[in-house]
Amino acid sequence: QLQLQESGPGLVKPSETLSLTCTFSGGSISDSRYYWGWIRQPPGKGLEWIGSIYFDGRTYYKSSLKSRGTISVDTSKNQFSLKLSSVTAADTAVYYCARQNGPETNFDSWGQGTLVTVSS
Amino acid sequence: SSELTQPPSVSVSPGQTARITCSGDALPDQYAFWYQQRPGQAPVLVISKDSERPSGIPERFSGSSSGTTVTLTISGVQAEDEADYYCQSADSSGALFGGGTKLTVL
Repeated sequence: QLQLQESGPGLVKPSETLSLTCTFSGGSISDSRYYWGWIRQPPGKGLEWIGSIYFDGRTYYKSSLKSRGTISVDTSKNQFSLKLSSVTAADTAVYYCARQNGPETNFDSWGQGTLVTVSS
Repeated sequence: SSELTQPPSVSVSPGQTARITCSGDALPDQYAFWYQQRPGQAPVLVISKDSERPSGIPERFSGSSSGTTVTLTISGVQAEDEADYYCQSADSSGALFGGGTKLTVL
């Protein structure tokens, strides 16, 4: 059974770096059919795609977040990670990791999401 | 930058048909996808590639496309369909989500 699970601190201080990891089980993150993405949702608001990565390390980022975001993949651990630097309160959100069927297509399997709050 | 525009809310009575639209300049050139999100849960894909229904999604969910607008149609709406619905497509940098539509079943 496919499963994605986000992990990382639930509280980050302003100006620091948010770090999250997504662990995929039930398959291989090196499967060439899929990309792996991060999506966030501020409380009470809509979904925002942050970026995606392919198993070979190719990355795609939302333009407005590209300067602060870094997505990496560790195929040996079946994990991929997100780092978002210089965070502010506007980065407070539920962060989801998800499997994507291609760089411009849908997300077919999602993690449960993890709330990250930016506050001092 | 590209945008996908959805109405903030749609209300229908049980058994009626709900239509949720999503408009954007990129839609004639890119597929659209629709997700259902219930409170406190992750989104679930209900329509793929404009009009394909994934396995396990009830037949009352359908999708269509015309020019710069795509439409999610829910026929014979049930109380359990009350949720937020998001369209998704792509622009030059990657995935793009609409702002979401809250479907209320009266």
